[in-house]
Amino acid sequence: GNSVTQMEGPVTLSEEAFLTINCTYTATGYPSLFWYVQYPGEGLQLLLKATKADDKGSNKGFEATYRKETTSFHLEKGSVQVSDSAVYFCALRLTSGTYKYIFGTGTRLKVLA
Amino acid sequence: ETGVTQTPRHLVMGMTNKKSLKCEQHLGHNAMYWYKQSAKKPLELMFVYSLEERVENNSVPSRFSPECPNSSHLFLHLHTLQPEDSALYLCASSQDRAVGELFFGEGSRLTVL
Repeated sequence: GNSVTQMEGPVTLSEEAFLTINCTYTATGYPSLFWYVQYPGEGLQLLLKATKADDKGSNKGFEATYRKETTSFHLEKGSVQVSDSAVYFCALRLTSGTYKYIFGTGTRLKVLA
Repeated sequence: ETGVTQTPRHLVMGMTNKKSLKCEQHLGHNAMYWYKQSAKKPLELMFVYSLEERVENNSVPSRFSPECPNSSHLFLHLHTLQPEDSALYLCASSQDRAVGELFFGEGSRLTVL
């Protein structure tokens, strides 16, 4: 079946460290891929997205590349800040014409000053 | 107001109570969603409304009853809930059910005693 697998957290980093959060997926067809972020006490916000293979999504210094050959969409940031502390969700939307979004379990990131 | 607004933000209820959660979107979207967020679980899609017609119900217990009177408003009516229903309930909207990312509200934190 269709699924999204994320690395388990929490991930704890020092400020200015490099961040990678792994995400792999299983899906039929050619899904669109998303990263959402949830700050404490808030709902989810779209961080970035990619709609086809080899697309790179980027926003606020975060990047992720749609890798069809490895069915992955890993999130990276070169230098994290304390304000990046949040829960990050990888998600996919199945091929167009459907409303089915499938989310991972989320990875909590804690950045220490 | 902009975006997706949910009320109340926090709700405590007994198992015999009846209450409702409200969601309003100011984005001109045509599809609205209810998700349940529990600790260490992927987001669970409960209901989808597209153009005011319910198009998905993932075997949610009948103690949860959605209502969508128009494309901007979505309710979740709650009655005779169980303690395991305690969770964060997130409302989301999208341009329509075929395209676009999800825009989430801040959620309603429900505690069932």
